[in-house]
This record gives sequence, C-alpha cells and structure tokens, in this order.
Amino acid sequence: NAGVMQNPRHLVRRRGQEARLRCSPMKGHSHVYWYRQLPEEGLKFMVYLQKENIIDESGMPKERFSAEFPKEGPSILRIQQVVRGDSAAYFCASSPAPGTRFGETQYFGPGTRLLVL
Amino acid sequence: AQKVTQAQTEISVVEKEDVTLDCVYETRDTTYYLFWYKQPPSGELVFLIRRNSFDEQNEISGRYSWNFQKSTSSFNFTITASQVVDSAVYFCALPANQAGTALIFGKGTTLSVSS
Repeated sequence: NAGVMQNPRHLVRRRGQEARLRCSPMKGHSHVYWYRQLPEEGLKFMVYLQKENIIDESGMPKERFSAEFPKEGPSILRIQQVVRGDSAAYFCASSPAPGTRFGETQYFGPGTRLLVL
Repeated sequence: AQKVTQAQTEISVVEKEDVTLDCVYETRDTTYYLFWYKQPPSGELVFLIRRNSFDEQNEISGRYSWNFQKSTSSFNFTITASQVVDSAVYFCALPANQAGTALIFGKGTTLSVSS
C-alpha cells in the first residue's frame, strides 16, 4: 500500500514567485489535511479538504495561500508571491474519515521543504 | 481550549538507557483520543499510536510503552533499552476541535541516543 505521496520533496523559490505543493492521499482516503512546520515552532494545522470542498481553513493565512482537492488528481497547496517567512516544511496528511476525536488517524506524507531565497 | 505541552525540549541518552517522554494536555472534551508521532532525521512523520480516553491501561509495543493517566492529563511515552535508531523528534497530539478535523501538536521532544 502506497502511503501519502508529496511532491516535490524540496522546492526552492525566489521571493515573489509561486509555490505549488502536491499531495496524493493514501488509497481509499478522501480526506486531506495540510500542516506547516516552521523553524522553532511545532506543526500547525492549515486546512482540511474533502474532494472538491474546503471544510476547515481556520489555520490558513488570509492572503496568498490557497488549497484545493479536485475531483481528479492530487490536492494542491498554492502559495502566491512567496516571502522568506514561508520557508518551512509543509506536510500533507490523509485519513479515510474525519474525526480524530473519535479515533480516526491522520497519516502523514514525507513533507515538502520549501526554501524561499 | 485544547493544548498539548511537551516540556522536555531535548533529551540525550546513551544506548540501552530507558527514557520517558512527557506529554501533558488540556481538553474540554470528555471523550477523546491522543496520538504520538515520530519524526526521524529523514523528516517524515510516522504515526506511532493512538489512545482512547476511556482506556487507561498501559500500552506496550516491543520496546515502546505508553502510560495514559486521565487524572493528571498525561500521556507519557517510554522507550526501553533505547537504540541509536530511536533518535528523532517525538510529537504528542490531540484533536484541536470538536469535529476532530485537525490535530494540535506539542512542540516536540528531540531525543538523541548515542552509542
């Protein structure tokens, strides 16, 4: 069974460019979550998506960040006009159903390390 | 509010020592799950265990064991006879909201095991 796939694993962008991070959930999982790990900080939730729907974006920065999970294809986290402060590891997780409160486990991908020069 | 505290930032041990990683949490929920993840130097996040708040029995898996105590809101993780391969950052996590659509993580404990 393939796990959660993320690509690219490493991404270098110059300030002002766009970054597109991709995530393919585990087979059979239709719920995708994005987290960001900033240096000196822990993992922070950004957004939760189901196919074609954003369910919870309470952790997304208000500007320049967007996410989608189309009917076909991977989930995309898009960062427009990147700044140095966006340099971080971005992790995608998936689960067969939501509800960590009820025991649903989120399985994480290997992450994408974004470096903004 | 939901909160996870891992007070130990870094721990260094020598191989074969036992080590316990502490996790203290705050939750408004009466029933919930808790999770531990491992982040080895290669960077991926690996799920280790989930635990139901109803079940306070210790969980043991090989050299790993977990002690959940609801009375003290703690979910501690012990590695017995540590090995160099155990070197990693370990995170404790709790559902962030009632829907459980997000996890809130502690800041992690970096464990270094030397030979």
